[in-house]
Amino acid sequence: EDKVVQSPLSLVVHEGDTVTLNCSYEVTNFRSLLWYKQEKKAPTFLFMLTSSGIEKKSGRLSSILDKKELFSILNITATQTGDSAVYLCAVWNGANSKLTFGKGITLSVRP
Amino acid sequence: GAVVSQHPSRVICKSGTSVKIECRSLDFQATTMFWYRQFPKQSLMLMATSNEGSKATYEQGVEKDKFLINHASLTLSTLTVTSAHPEDSSFYICSASWGGGAAGNTIYFGEGSWLTVV
Repeated sequence: EDKVVQSPLSLVVHEGDTVTLNCSYEVTNFRSLLWYKQEKKAPTFLFMLTSSGIEKKSGRLSSILDKKELFSILNITATQTGDSAVYLCAVWNGANSKLTFGKGITLSVRP
Repeated sequence: GAVVSQHPSRVICKSGTSVKIECRSLDFQATTMFWYRQFPKQSLMLMATSNEGSKATYEQGVEKDKFLINHASLTLSTLTVTSAHPEDSSFYICSASWGGGAAGNTIYFGEGSWLTVV
C-alpha cells in the first residue's frame, strides 16, 4: 500500500521566517510527487515533481525531490500570514493511477 | 487554469435521506474523476474513481451501494450519499483528470462540499 508521511504535523512561525516542510513516501510505481496548499476549502496545486534534484520555484516557494531517499521538501521563505494553511503532499502511482495524500502539515504564520 | 465546479458547497440533510453532489469540469473534458472524503484534521481519503461511461471503482471499505457515483458525461460526475447518517458528515471533494492524469498539473480539484447530516 502506498504511503505518504509528512512532518512536522504542525508548525508555528513568525512573519519573515523560513520554513521547511518534509514529505517522505513509499509507492510501488512512482510517477510524480505533488504539493498542494489547502485553506478552508479544496486544495490548490503548487508543484509537481518527477525528477530528482531539480528545484521547482514559484515566488517564495520552492520544492525539490530526492527519489533515492524517497522524500521531498517544500520551502517557504519570508513567510507571510497568507501562507497559513495546510500543506499536503501526495504521490501519484503510475500503475493504478491513484493519488495518495499525506496527513498534511498545518502551518500558522503569526504577525 | 482549468476549473472544476462542485455543487452544493454546503448541504444539511436529515438522517435517512439522500444527498447528491455534482462535480463539473467547466473548460475541459474529464476522462477520469476522483471522489475524496476528508474528516476534520485528516487527510484526503480516496473513495472511488469514476471513468466516463463505465462503473466506478471503489476503494476498500467504501460501500458502493451507499455512495453512488455516476459519470454519465465527460464533464459531469455525481456522488449520491444514500440513506445518510450523521457519521457520513464530512467534506467531500472531487477532482477531475484530463488525459489520464499522468501529470499533477492535469488534476484539478473542485471547491468541496460540506455535508452535515442531522
